[in-house]
Amino acid sequence: SYVLTQPPSVSVAPGKTARVTCEGDKIRSKTVHWYQQKPGQAPVLVISYDSDRPSGTPERFSGSKSGDTATLTISRVEAGDEADYYCQVWHEDHRVFGTGTGVTVL
Amino acid sequence: EVQLVQSGGGLVQPGGSLRLSCVASGFTFSDHYIDWVRQAPGKGLEWVGRSRNRANSYINEYAAAVKGRFTISRDASKNSLYLQMNSLRSEDTAVYYCARAHSLDFWGQGTLVTVSS
Repeated sequence: SYVLTQPPSVSVAPGKTARVTCEGDKIRSKTVHWYQQKPGQAPVLVISYDSDRPSGTPERFSGSKSGDTATLTISRVEAGDEADYYCQVWHEDHRVFGTGTGVTVL
Repeated sequence: EVQLVQSGGGLVQPGGSLRLSCVASGFTFSDHYIDWVRQAPGKGLEWVGRSRNRANSYINEYAAAVKGRFTISRDASKNSLYLQMNSLRSEDTAVYYCARAHSLDFWGQGTLVTVSS
């Protein structure tokens, strides 16, 4: 089965830049979506189709891919960005989620 | 305003059955794929399955973990999607979400299913 590997946690100081990585075989040929989930809430789409920002997503959030890694970048991190983040792709007609990364704002 | 409102869920014994509902509003229900996603307590997101749109004959697809036990159905007249869950196991305990595809841009509020004796 296809696996998307994310670091379990990322810590960042307010105002700095957080990068959440998502590694998967041949991910460069797949479309990546990113979701933010805060405790007790449903996930929210923050980046779609690799790098598009849905309405409501701050410009501080961006997505990119290089090689077998997709990256969610959060610039000028705020306390409200503290959450779990999941990448997601389609593989062989199945939706696959990454293992998830908890972003902590110090 | 796009909304997905879920109902159903609760406590069920192993081997039992349960049906979840997801009522859509604010968009043309028949034009969209709708997915089911679950999250076990303290764990990550797991895809359960999806219902394609009318243009794709409402074909359903399932994750291996639930195939043969879970069934997705639609009632277009009610803008509703259902997840019928049979032969439930303890490992099916999770919060279940419906979400509008392809990029899961809108989610229901989630409903907790607990499988326990």
